[in-house]
Amino acid sequence: ETGVTQSPTHLIKTRGQQVTLRCSSQSGHNTVSWYQQALGQGPQFIFQYYREEENGRGNFPPRFSGLQFPNYSSELNVNALELDDSALYLCASSNKDSSGSTEAFFGQGTRLTVV
Amino acid sequence: GQNIDQPTEMTATEGAIVQINCTYQTSGFNGLFWYQQHAGEAPTFLSYNVLDGLEEKGRFSSFLSRSKGYSYLLLKELQMKDSASYLCAVRTMNTGFQKLVFGTGTRLLVSP
Repeated sequence: ETGVTQSPTHLIKTRGQQVTLRCSSQSGHNTVSWYQQALGQGPQFIFQYYREEENGRGNFPPRFSGLQFPNYSSELNVNALELDDSALYLCASSNKDSSGSTEAFFGQGTRLTVV
Repeated sequence: GQNIDQPTEMTATEGAIVQINCTYQTSGFNGLFWYQQHAGEAPTFLSYNVLDGLEEKGRFSSFLSRSKGYSYLLLKELQMKDSASYLCAVRTMNTGFQKLVFGTGTRLLVSP
């Protein structure tokens, strides 16, 4: 148990719809990163939030957006869903301000299927 | 660009030793991680190297050579439960933020 929780665990959506995925970070962590993992691939960095602002972004289109709240929990929103968006979405929390911080802790993921 | 290579699949026998290699070409290197991932589950942290050399943690060891862009994960006394995917990930530090860049993972099959 990492203390990072994601909801929902599974989700089925129709192409063109919008989806919101949620993540609660581990206590004491102020940074949340989102990753997309397609079947048989390694996770790909989507973006990172630090103190409620986007702190860095990977190679994903603008229809992937996010939010971070004052309690450091986060949302990932995807608009105009495409079939290729079907993947495991992982949230990882860490503490950007801690010099001793090393690993990021992953939640259990949300399996999104777009049909 | 960022590139991380690891074998797609490996097989080994229960009780044996297996070494999973990882080579990388990245900018802003700030540490290398190994994660274990069982099918349909989230990655779980195994090891971390930021300096050259060997880090040992029970049955698992990880080695790093920054000059060669090379790491390996060594698993000893293999158990059936070690059948999983093993992800090599480089933490990069660019323009003020850190992210993990993952390889595609090595699927390890342990047979009796």
